[in-house]
Formats: sequence, C-alpha cells, structure tokens
Amino acid sequence: GIQVEQSPPDLILQEGANSTLRCNFSDSVNNLQWFHQNPWGQLINLFYIPSGTKQNGRLSATTVATERYSLLYISSSQTTDSGVYFCSAMEYGNKLVFGAGTILRVKS
Amino acid sequence: TAGITQAPTSQILAAGRSMTLRCTQDMRHNAMYWYRQDLGLGLRLIHYSNTAGTTGKGEVPDGYSVSRANTDDFPLTLASAVPSQTSVYFCASSDSGGFGYTFGSGTRLTVV
Repeated sequence: GIQVEQSPPDLILQEGANSTLRCNFSDSVNNLQWFHQNPWGQLINLFYIPSGTKQNGRLSATTVATERYSLLYISSSQTTDSGVYFCSAMEYGNKLVFGAGTILRVKS
Repeated sequence: TAGITQAPTSQILAAGRSMTLRCTQDMRHNAMYWYRQDLGLGLRLIHYSNTAGTTGKGEVPDGYSVSRANTDDFPLTLASAVPSQTSVYFCASSDSGGFGYTFGSGTRLTVV
C-alpha cells in the first residue's frame, strides 16, 4: 500500500513566524488531503489537493504529484495554529492512509 | 449542525467485556470509516463501508466488527476487549469519490 512520510516530526515557532511542512508519498495518488488536529482532538479538513496550489487565508498547500510530495505553508503563525498536522493519501476504495503527523507548537 | 456524532465520548472498559461505539452522520455520505489513533502511529483504518449494506477490512481489523444497515449509522463493536485496544477511535464519512472527508469528535477508550 501507499506509504506516507511527514517532516519534521516536531516544530516550535514563535508567533508570527512562517513554516513549511512536508509530505512525501510512495506512489502516485489522485487524492491528497491535509488535516489539522487541534489540542482538543478535533480533526479538521484543511485542503483537498491532489495537484497544484491552493490557499485559504494564512495557509496554503502545494502538491507536485509527479515528484510525489506535498507542502503545507503556514504564514504569520498564531497560537491557534498549534496542534498536529496530518497528510493523507487515498488508496483504492476511498481509504485514507495517514502520515505520522507534524506536531506544531506556536509560542506567544 | 451537520456532521458526525460519536458516542460515548469516553469509556473505561474491563478486559473481556464487549462494547459498541456508535457513529451517526447526517450528511447522506455514502462512505463511512473507523480509524484508531495511537501516539506516534497517526490514524490507522480499522473498517470501512463504501455504501449501506457493504463493509470492508482496513489495516487493523482484528478484534473489531462493523455493520452498515443504513446510510447514517456505522457502529463499531469490540466483542472481547483487550488492553491493546486502548486508543482514541474516530469515525469519518465522505462521499463516493472521497470528497468532503469529515471526522467525528472521537471516543477515548481505555481497556483495563
């Protein structure tokens, strides 16, 4: 099955800083999604991005499908951005395979 | 608010006992899923259902069973709980193409 690797595993930022999270996947995919799990455990769908670039406020994501990676950019980070960011790729049957996540801590 | 409702929120269960985790969605999504989340392992798929009346095994199905009698409900049953099933369980749903993936708030289960 598809393997999904995320880096870095941990990241500590000062409020206002920018960051880039990376996701590598082992096979070609037609469905790549980013999720944010907040400190209360809720999983929020950030982006559906099988290819190209999308932006939503301070967050943007880019997937280069031919090179099997995706990037999540967080600009002007805020304490509310803290939590775990998961990348996931879809296998046959709409099943998501998740990476281990990047734990982000934004300090004020 | 439209979405997924999971119950209970948390539970402590004696080893050997059975339990059913409930999941209901009101988005009329065809597909539903159960994942477990363990520290350092991300989320792993237990079982899934692409449409009412059908189910399939995910990455870690042993010790769990599911049913999908209708579109809205997708219960997960542990027939005889073991401590290794201590985890946070998330139910999710999506449309047939995998769009609109939505997660419930999770059930924290501790097996002692």
